[in-house]
Amino acid sequence: NAGVTQTPKFQVLKTGQSMTLQCAQDMNHEYMSWYRQDPGMGLRLIHYSVGAGITDQGEVPNGYNVSRSTTEDFPLRLLSAAPSQTSVYFCASSRQGSGGYTFGSGTRLTVV
Amino acid sequence: GQQVMQIPQYQHVQEGEDFTTYCNSSTTLSNIQWYKQRPGGHPVFLIQLVKSGEVKKQKRLTFQFGEAKKNSSLHITATQTTDVGTYFCAEGADGLTFGKGTHLIIQP
Repeated sequence: NAGVTQTPKFQVLKTGQSMTLQCAQDMNHEYMSWYRQDPGMGLRLIHYSVGAGITDQGEVPNGYNVSRSTTEDFPLRLLSAAPSQTSVYFCASSRQGSGGYTFGSGTRLTVV
Repeated sequence: GQQVMQIPQYQHVQEGEDFTTYCNSSTTLSNIQWYKQRPGGHPVFLIQLVKSGEVKKQKRLTFQFGEAKKNSSLHITATQTTDVGTYFCAEGADGLTFGKGTHLIIQP
């Protein structure tokens, strides 16, 4: 099993550009979520999903969109990148009721 | 939303000393999870506590959940250089609310 796979690992965007961060898991987990990690801020929940076709907003959803068309994939879209979105982004998945989340290795995004 | 406060932010210890990090909430938590993140790495799940007063051990790590389910602690006995990293507590199921983490720095 590959676990949770995130691509790309690194990305530099110009202000105003859009892009999609990819996240895929091969563990048939129902729950998936996106977090951003900034120095001194810990990890903050952006969006989450409890199954295909179901998504909801977390603590910091503004500027981001998600969709969950399949159980395996949960892409995160930046609509118009801003320097404030410079961060490390983590995707995670969990089996319903199991508790612990498996995290991907992250995407380091810089917006200039 | 639920807020989880974690202290201390940084902890310097000599190798072989003990280490403890604490999480507190003003409201009752449904569960508490603990994660470890090595420098440059991603969070790795350690354990989940669900029951009031629960205590679980993993080798040198002891996890506790308070009787009122408003606080939790992670204690490491006799730290080793491999314990270096940031320890996070988190709460939730659909998506997690994290504490800001405790950075463990070990001096040989």
